[in-house]
Amino acid sequence: DTEVTQTPKHLVMGMTNKKSLKCEQHMGHRAMYWYKQKAKKPPELMFVYSYEKLSINESVPSRFSPECPNSSLLNLHLHALQPEDSALYLCASSRLGTGGADTQYFGPGTRLTVL
Amino acid sequence: AQTVTQSQPEMSVQEAETVTLSCTYDTSESDYYLFWYKQPPSRQMILVIRQEAYKQQNATENRFSVNFQKAAKSFSLKISDSQLGDAAMYFCAYRSAHQGNRDDKIIFGKGTRLHILP
Repeated sequence: DTEVTQTPKHLVMGMTNKKSLKCEQHMGHRAMYWYKQKAKKPPELMFVYSYEKLSINESVPSRFSPECPNSSLLNLHLHALQPEDSALYLCASSRLGTGGADTQYFGPGTRLTVL
Repeated sequence: AQTVTQSQPEMSVQEAETVTLSCTYDTSESDYYLFWYKQPPSRQMILVIRQEAYKQQNATENRFSVNFQKAAKSFSLKISDSQLGDAAMYFCAYRSAHQGNRDDKIIFGKGTRLHILP
């Protein structure tokens, strides 16, 4: 099973709203990632969690707040977003401790629209 | 810093024909991984094929194969017997084999949009 699930599939929010994106995997992976992807562009890394601890923050604005409650779940809390934050948000996971990098498996993404 | 270059923004191929997507990369490391990911329109990004840099043998997965030229830093993807379902954006990607927080990231190319002509 190489499935990463994400909810919701679509989200429309106003600039004053607070919402959360959710990601889940049951592959025993201990690394989880958030990416932002604009149309016809490659994914841009936002955050990396390794063993449930934030290991990489790619200078993402504080209106994006990640959370990793346990080894299977990853959340992205959104607050006071801007229209330019509209994008596809992808979650991914991979193994760790395998003597090097391992394959990242992606979820289907959440299509976010900020009005 | 590592970079990945895909010089073909778009390509078209006739159904059942063979097509090759190009990818070059730049790195000073000797140990790394290379990937091709496929992302159909409005659908999930999935792994097509993976190559470990220490392996000389080119990876293959059914109709998909790579031509890995380490000295030239080239990693092209060949799709044989193209099918309509192969239409997608294809991303070439690089990842260091070194462990360490800053190395735990994928470097993506800009992508190649592949059209399959019936």
